[in-house]
This record gives sequence, structure tokens and C-alpha cells, in this order.
Amino acid sequence: EAQVTQNPRYLITVTGKKLTVTCSQNMNHEYMSWYRQDPGLGLRQIYYSMNVEVTDKGDVPEGYKVSRKEKRNFPLILESPSPNQTSLYFCASPTAGQGNTYEQYFGPGTRLTVT
Amino acid sequence: QKEVEQDPGPLSVPEGAIVSLNCTYSNSAFQYFMWYRQYSRKGPELLMYTYSSGNKEDGRFTAQVDKSSKYISLFIRDSQPSDSATYLCAFLSGGGADGLTFGKGTHLIIQP
Repeated sequence: EAQVTQNPRYLITVTGKKLTVTCSQNMNHEYMSWYRQDPGLGLRQIYYSMNVEVTDKGDVPEGYKVSRKEKRNFPLILESPSPNQTSLYFCASPTAGQGNTYEQYFGPGTRLTVT
Repeated sequence: QKEVEQDPGPLSVPEGAIVSLNCTYSNSAFQYFMWYRQYSRKGPELLMYTYSSGNKEDGRFTAQVDKSSKYISLFIRDSQPSDSATYLCAFLSGGGADGLTFGKGTHLIIQP
């Protein structure tokens, strides 16, 4: 079964404490991306990766880092979280494995609260 | 002008009603037009997509695209309580590796 998994699902942390949200897909896809979802703002892309060691900024990359050392994993790193990064985060991968596709398979989401 | 406009609702209708959800957009480069459905505490999932102007039907759902007016719609016939969810319109320009551009979502409630 095709899956995108994220961990943790819920996280409460304090300002400035580095954290990592993991994302893993079992579909052997090259393309992966991260979105955040906020009330009144909708879903916005943070970063994407077209393949191993290839990453690029999305619409709202400030305050985030990513890495892509292997195809299946695409962790999201917050080096110094701030309260404005409190949000619902989704990892996604297109079902066809390419970047230019309309069907994105989303993970279950990570709800992050930064106090 | 925002790139995508979608009424956030909530939209509450009785079971069995026909539901109409709409989005307008301004980016002429959009080539793919999608509707995603998101249940509470879940990730969005693709419901329907179209590539060009016109209608596309899938069971109780019909997606409609009018590129000349930059307007897309999703119709749900014989609505069921299980259709209660947030519906997100989404757009893709078709060039490069850009991510999807989403509307803010319409929260739909089907009353039994």
C-alpha cells in the first residue's frame, strides 16, 4: 500500500528549541514536498525536492530547512522555532513520482505548537 | 488581487441537496484544475481533476472548468452526511516543479 508517513503527529515545543519532523514514502518517488496549513491562509508549499540532494524553496521557506539524503526520506527542520510556525504540516509526494503532476498524496499531518 | 478565491463557508445543507462549490483564479498559466477533499484530522485527498474547460463527471460529483472566466466549480448531487468535509480547489501551472496552489477551502456540512 502506498504510504506517506510523518512523525511525530503532534508536537508542543518552546521557542528556539530545534526540532525535526520526519517524512517517509514507500513509493520510490523522486519528488517530495512540505506544506503548511493555516486557518484563513490555506495550504502553502514550504520546500520541495525533485530528487536526492536536490531541494528548492517553495512559497514560504523562511525559518525552515530540509535535507534529502535518500529517496524515501525528506525531513523538515526548524532550527529555531518561533510561535508563528505553529501550524499543521503535511508532507506530500505525487502519485506518479514526478513533480509536474496534479495528484499529490499527502501524509497524515503533524500539528506543531510553538510556545 | 489574490491568486485564488474560495468562500470558506461553512456551507450547511440538508441531506440529498445539490451542493455547488466554487473558486475563481487569476493565473492564466494554470493548466490543471483539481478538487481535494479533506476530512477532519486527515491530509487532503484528490477528488477530481480536469485539464481543460468543460465538465467531468464521476458518480455524484461533477467538476466544471470555465477557463475564459477563470472559474471552476464542483457539484455534488444527492449529498450524504459522509460528504461533510473541507473541499479545497487546487491549481497547477504544468511547467517545472511548482507545487499546487490551493484555495483556502470550503467547509461543507451535510445535515442528516
